[in-house]
Amino acid sequence: NAGVTQTPKFRILKIGQSMTLQCTQDMNHNYMYWYRQDPGMGLKLIYYSVGAGITDKGEVPNGYNVSRSTTEDFPLRLELAAPSQTSVYFCASSYSLGSGANVLTFGAGSRLTVL
Amino acid sequence: QQPVQSPQAVILREGEDAVINCSSSKALYSVHWYRQKHGEAPVFLMILLKGGEQKGHDKISASFNEKKQQSSLYLTASQLSYSGTYFCGTPSEKTSYDKVIFGPGTSLSVIP
Repeated sequence: NAGVTQTPKFRILKIGQSMTLQCTQDMNHNYMYWYRQDPGMGLKLIYYSVGAGITDKGEVPNGYNVSRSTTEDFPLRLELAAPSQTSVYFCASSYSLGSGANVLTFGAGSRLTVL
Repeated sequence: QQPVQSPQAVILREGEDAVINCSSSKALYSVHWYRQKHGEAPVFLMILLKGGEQKGHDKISASFNEKKQQSSLYLTASQLSYSGTYFCGTPSEKTSYDKVIFGPGTSLSVIP
């Protein structure tokens, strides 16, 4: 059982380039998330999804796009990369405990540097 | 609105106790606690769903005071393996339990 898998683990981009961070989960979780974590800081929610075809903005969505065509995959697209997007990106998926509470399982993270 | 955590950082010697607090100016609908070791992904510790609830495993426990809009994480007889950053998380809206936002984290260092 692989859990949540993110690729790539590391990437260096030039300002203005675009790229897609891949995330896939094999736990059949409905909910998926993208967070970013700046050095020494907390986790900020970028986008999340409650199921295939449904996505919604989080706290810091500007400069990013997502899509959810299948239950398993939730790619994050960066358009026109900027130095402010230098961060570690975590994908997560979750199941519900009932009562609406979701337990998140995180991927290992993707470290992105924009120069 | 992001929950607030205190303290920002704490250093303990092995065997000492610590308390990490999480609070919000808005209602807390449930509280998640996660631990992140350096260079790793956050890992789920526990979730509290109702006011008055207390949970624990091993020597780490937590309480949830819904009226005071706060939760506390208790680490007793700390071990070196407890070192890491602890995050509390909460749904941003009562109708969206899936939209979990996190506090800024509390860095805990346990030294011999």
